[in-house]
Amino acid sequence: EVQLVESGGGLVQPGGSLRLSCAASGFTFSSYSMNWVRQAPGKGLEWVSYISSSSSTIYYADSVKGRFTISRDNAKNSLYLQMNSLRAEDTAVYYCARTLQNALGYWGQGTLVTVSS
Amino acid sequence: EIVLTQSPATLSLSPGERATLSCRASQSVSSYLAWYQQKPGQAPRLLIYDASNRATGIPARFSGSGSGTDFTLTISSLEPEDFAVYYCQQRSNWRGITFGPGTKVDIK
Repeated sequence: EVQLVESGGGLVQPGGSLRLSCAASGFTFSSYSMNWVRQAPGKGLEWVSYISSSSSTIYYADSVKGRFTISRDNAKNSLYLQMNSLRAEDTAVYYCARTLQNALGYWGQGTLVTVSS
Repeated sequence: EIVLTQSPATLSLSPGERATLSCRASQSVSSYLAWYQQKPGQAPRLLIYDASNRATGIPARFSGSGSGTDFTLTISSLEPEDFAVYYCQQRSNWRGITFGPGTKVDIK
């Protein structure tokens, strides 16, 4: 069974940093590209970042480019999102999601990031 | 950036009725269109990928159609557990995935 478990969320002050993790199990992690998607409270879904299976290709949404860094450790079956220079508008539930064909086939339960003073 | 528009914003229906949800893209996304269901407090769940393919375990009452810029998600006969928010998502390329604003299907 595919499982994705996010961690690392919490309360952080504006301008601060946070590192999210996503632990994967139940599939060959190194064979799949991964994504981060976020959802602000009461709002819709916003794609944040994509990383290919070998980390050779990485994309970011314009809203986080230059502030967030996606990475992965295939030996540890883990995906990461380093978030720097956090703003109030980054407050959201952050989901990791595994690709399936041309979609996001599997999602974690999410981790809440709150940026507030 | 490809913008997705979903209509209607809210659909009020009774169990057993047919639901038809629309998603329109600002430019062609070929068949790279997916649909998700999200219930309160839960992560989204993939229903349909590549416009018309049901994901594993998704009931046959869910179907998707369309290509290019116009897509439809149809729920043939609403079950009580189908009342939720539905999002469409395109990936014409992985560089810029976008989601639609969602359609809420609620009980009439």
